[in-house]
Amino acid sequence: EAQVTQNPRYLITVTGKKLTVTCSQNMNHEYMSWYRQDPGLGLRQIYYSMNVEVTDKGDVPEGYKVSRKEKRNFPLILESPSPNQTSLYFCASSLSLGGRYNEQFFGPGTRLTVL
Amino acid sequence: AQSVSQHNHHVILSEAASLELGCNYSYGGTVNLFWYVQYPGQHLQLLLKYFSGDPLVKGIKGFEAEFIKSKFSFNLRKPSVQWSDTAEYFCAVNAKAGTALIFGKGTTLSVSS
Repeated sequence: EAQVTQNPRYLITVTGKKLTVTCSQNMNHEYMSWYRQDPGLGLRQIYYSMNVEVTDKGDVPEGYKVSRKEKRNFPLILESPSPNQTSLYFCASSLSLGGRYNEQFFGPGTRLTVL
Repeated sequence: AQSVSQHNHHVILSEAASLELGCNYSYGGTVNLFWYVQYPGQHLQLLLKYFSGDPLVKGIKGFEAEFIKSKFSFNLRKPSVQWSDTAEYFCAVNAKAGTALIFGKGTTLSVSS
């Protein structure tokens, strides 16, 4: 089944404790992206990747890191989480960006709480 | 910079009522346009998209949207809503030049039976 998976789905952590949220897609998509969803703000892009070893900042990159060492994986790293990073996080992928096949497929989401 | 504006924050309808959710974007060039739906507790799913051709696009579950280039709009419509349409709806835009997908802030639709 074609899908985007994220782990963990739920995470409660404390300020300053490094964490990684994994994202994996099995559709051989080139483009992957991370969003955070907050009430009243919609989805805001954190980082995106056009292909392996190619990443770039989105609208709200502060406090986050990403890497794209393999085409299928795009982990989101919070080196020192803070309470303002409490949010619902979505990973998404698409075959390309800007072309006809640019529909983004979303993962199930990771609800993160930073105490 | 591109931006997407969804006019209604929260829409409340009774079953069988007609629906129209507004979406306007700010970008002068050629764009791809999307409507996504997020049912309670679930991830985003694509309802429909416009890439080129007929400006009236039909999607899943009886939804359609009309792209009006002169008005920079891509409004979502459904003739008769059902209780199961209760969800949050997001309009999204990206320029065909290959930039990121920009989302509106979303519209919450509540349908009472």
